[in-house]
Amino acid sequence: DVKVTQSSRYLVKRTGEKVFLECVQDMDHENMFWYRQDPGLGLRLIYFSYDVKMKEKGDIPEGYSVSREKKERFSLILESASTNQTSMYLCASTSGGTGSYEQYFGPGTRLTVT
Amino acid sequence: SQQGEEDPQALSIQEGENATMNCSYKTSINNLQWYRQNSGRGLVHLILIRSNEREKHSGRLRVTLDTSKKSSSLLITASRAADTASYFCATVLSYNTDKLIFGTGTRLQVFP
Repeated sequence: DVKVTQSSRYLVKRTGEKVFLECVQDMDHENMFWYRQDPGLGLRLIYFSYDVKMKEKGDIPEGYSVSREKKERFSLILESASTNQTSMYLCASTSGGTGSYEQYFGPGTRLTVT
Repeated sequence: SQQGEEDPQALSIQEGENATMNCSYKTSINNLQWYRQNSGRGLVHLILIRSNEREKHSGRLRVTLDTSKKSSSLLITASRAADTASYFCATVLSYNTDKLIFGTGTRLQVFP
């Protein structure tokens, strides 16, 4: 069965801390994505990666960076957390290639920055 | 602004009734997908309809696509309390197939 896991369900961090959110998929997917979800705004794409060590900015990359050292793992980094980064963070993956558009999501990490 | 916008934002119905949600988008698409999200959880893919398709079925789900109106609808027939969730449409653009663009969602509440 397809599985995407995220390192934490809930996380509380202080302003200015460096925060790592980890995502792992076991489907050998090429493409991985990080979204944030806020009420009334739907899901917004932060970064995505279509291969190891490759990354592309999404719609709202400011304040975030990513790392993909291995195919199965995609990390989202908040270099200096701020209160406006309090949100639900969702990771997803897809196999890539022509016609493969269905995304598989992890359970999400609810991050609170105080 | 969002590529996809759902209507209504919230919907409350009784078990056994049908639920219809609509999605409008702005630019040419490769395909349109519907996802479901239970409260506080990740999204689950429900169905994908390609731009050259007009209707698709999966169990109690029926999706239609009207590319001339740039709109889609999701119909859930004979709804159950377990269908209570948020439903999102998402589009893959015809000129950029790298990513999905999500709408803001419809919150469906089904009362037993």
